[in-house]
Amino acid sequence: DAGVIQSPRHEVTEMGQEVTLRCKPISGHDYLFWYRQTMMRGLELLIYFNNNVPIDDSGMPEDRFSAKMPNASFSTLKIQPSEPRDSAVYFCASSPDSSSYNEQFFGPGTRLTVL
Amino acid sequence: DAKTTQPTSMDCAEGRAANLPCNHSTISGNEYVYWYRQIHSQGPQYIIHGLKNNETNEMASLIITEDRKSSTLILPHATLRDTAVYYCIVRAHLDSWGKLQFGAGTQVVVTP
Repeated sequence: DAGVIQSPRHEVTEMGQEVTLRCKPISGHDYLFWYRQTMMRGLELLIYFNNNVPIDDSGMPEDRFSAKMPNASFSTLKIQPSEPRDSAVYFCASSPDSSSYNEQFFGPGTRLTVL
Repeated sequence: DAKTTQPTSMDCAEGRAANLPCNHSTISGNEYVYWYRQIHSQGPQYIIHGLKNNETNEMASLIITEDRKSSTLILPHATLRDTAVYYCIVRAHLDSWGKLQFGAGTQVVVTP
C-alpha cells in the first residue's frame, strides 16, 4: 500500500485566496483525520471522519475552514478565504476500525504558506 | 484525557539504549499510554501503546509503572534515524475515539 497520500505537498498562496488540500487515506481504513501543525501550537486535531461522516469538528478554527469526505477514498480540507495565520503544515491521517487501538497512519503533510 | 509531562530534549549515543520518560500522574483506569514519534519534515509515526503491562514490538519497549503514573519508552539500540520528537499520549480507547492530543514531546538527538 502506498500509505496516506496528500496533495499538494507545498502550497503558496496569497491572502484571500481559496485553498484546497487533498487526502487519500489507506484503502480499507474507516477513520480519517485532519491535523494542523505550527511552531506555536504544535499538532492540533481539526476534524475527523468515521465511514465518511464527520464525527468531531470542534478543532476547526473557524468558519473559513471546511472539510468533506465524499467517499471512502478521498477527503478535502478547504480554507476560504485564506489568511497568513493559516500558514502551517496540514497532515491527514487514517486508521482502521476501532479494534486497532488508535494507530493512526499519517501522510507526509502539505506545507501551506499564505502571503 | 490525562496530561503528560516529558523532558524537552535528550541526547543519546548511537548504539546505546535510549530511555524516554513520561509522567502521567492523573491517568485514569481506562486510559492507554501511546507513543508516537515525528522525524523532521515527516508525519508522526505510531510506535507502541500499552495499558498496564509492559509491551515490546520491533521498534521499542514500553515500561509502565505499577501505579501507572509514569512510563518509559526504550529504544534498545538507538540509530541516527531515531532522531525525532517523541510524543507520549494518554487517552481512553473508547471515549472520543479519534482524539490524540499531542503535547510538545521530547526532542531526541542521537549522536555518532
